[in-house]
Amino acid sequence: QITLKESGPTLVKPTQTLTLTCTFSGFSLSTSGVGVGWIRQPPGKALEWLALIYWDDDTRYSPSLKNRLTITRDTSKNQVVLTMTSMDPVDTATYYCAHRPGLSRYYFDYWGQGTLVTVSS
Amino acid sequence: EIVLTQSPGTLSLSPGERATLSCRASQSVSSSYLAWYQQKPGQAPRVLIYGASTRATGIPDRFSGSGSGTDFTLIISRLEPEDFAVYYCQQYGSSLWTFGQGTKVEIK
Repeated sequence: QITLKESGPTLVKPTQTLTLTCTFSGFSLSTSGVGVGWIRQPPGKALEWLALIYWDDDTRYSPSLKNRLTITRDTSKNQVVLTMTSMDPVDTATYYCAHRPGLSRYYFDYWGQGTLVTVSS
Repeated sequence: EIVLTQSPGTLSLSPGERATLSCRASQSVSSSYLAWYQQKPGQAPRVLIYGASTRATGIPDRFSGSGSGTDFTLIISRLEPEDFAVYYCQQYGSSLWTFGQGTKVEIK
């Protein structure tokens, strides 16, 4: 059974750096084709893809946020970490991590419950 | 970057009616790279359709997807009470992933 869970601060101040951790089970990020992505959703708004890390450590970022994002993995801990610099109130959102199932699979089949991050002084 | 535009923004229908949701891409998308999700309030999205027309595991056959190129459609043949939710399309292209802005299906 695949599960993912996001963790991190619920409140950050403007200009600070946000660090979120996705802890997963039920799959290996070393399996060919597998990936873990981050997606966010401001309150009442649409989903926005942020970043994704693949089994081979390749990474992809949303062009609009690329300069602020870093995604890394710790395979031994079954974790994926997303850092976002220069946080602003517009970054207030629920942040989800999600599982990309494998080669030739271009969707997310399992999602974490999400974690709400508020940016405010 | 490919932009996905969903229409309508809101669809007001009654249970038992047919819902037709549209997703238009700013440039051609491979059918293999198009997915649909359902999201209910307070919940994470759930994948319904991938590869434009393949139902995900456990998804009822009243949900169907079709389309190619720049125009894709999600049809819910007969709305059940649990189908009232927000629906998103998502594509993969040029190594990037994008979502549409969503269509809310509400009870009329």
